Amino acid sequence: GAGVSQSPSNKVTEKGKDVELRCDPISGHTALYWYRQSLGQGLEFLIYFQGNSAPDKSGLPSDRFSAERTGGSVSTLTIQRTQQEDSAVYLCASSFGGRGDLNNEQFFGPGTRLTVL
Amino acid sequence: DQQVKQNSPSLSVQEGRISILNCDYTNSMFDYFLWYKKYPAEGPTFLISISSIKDKNEDGRFTVFLNKSAKHLSLHIVPSQPGDSAVYFCAVKKFPTLTGKLIFGQGTTLQVKP
Repeated sequence: GAGVSQSPSNKVTEKGKDVELRCDPISGHTALYWYRQSLGQGLEFLIYFQGNSAPDKSGLPSDRFSAERTGGSVSTLTIQRTQQEDSAVYLCASSFGGRGDLNNEQFFGPGTRLTVL
Repeated sequence: DQQVKQNSPSLSVQEGRISILNCDYTNSMFDYFLWYKKYPAEGPTFLISISSIKDKNEDGRFTVFLNKSAKHLSLHIVPSQPGDSAVYFCAVKKFPTLTGKLIFGQGTTLQVKP
C-alpha cells in the first residue's frame, strides 16, 4: 500500500526565497506531523495536526514557518524568507489518531532535503 | 536543552555479536519509549517500544530495556546482521498527551561488519 509521500525530494533555494514542502499522508490517518533533522541532530518536532482540532504549532522555530492541512489530508509546510540555518531534512509522518493514544505508530515519509544557499 | 540524549554517535559491531544502543532522558514524566531505525534517503521506521510500566520488551532479535530510576533506555540486537546497519533513534512521549509528538535523540549510527 501507499506510504507517506513527500515532494520535492530535494530543494535548493537561495537565501530570502520562500519554499513550500508537500506531504501526502497515508489514507485514513487523521494525525499528521512535521519534523526536521538538521545535520548531526535528532528529529525536531515542528507542528502537529489532528482532525479538525487546532494544530499544535509549539515546535515551529519562527514566524517564518507555517503549515496548513487542507481537507484533513495533504499538508504544506511553508518557509518564508529562507535562511541558511533552515537547511535540513524535513520529515512528515502520519498516524491513526494521536490524542492520548500511546500506540499510534507514526509512519514517516522519505523527507525533503532543503538546502539554502 | 536536550531532553533525550544518545551519547554515542556511532557503534561498530561484528556480525553475529550483540549491539547495544543507549539512550538517556531527563524528564521522569516521560512514560512511553520507542526506537526507530533509519536507512539513508528513507524516513525512520518504527522498531520497538516500551511503556513505563515495563522494564523489558522483546521482539525477535530486538529487546528494549528500561531503567526508570536511571532514566536510561537501551536497545539490544542479538545477533547483529549487516542489514541492521542504519541510524537508530530513541524517542519518547509523555502520557497523557494532547498530541502524539515524539521527542527524539540525536541518533546512533550502527555499522555491522560481515
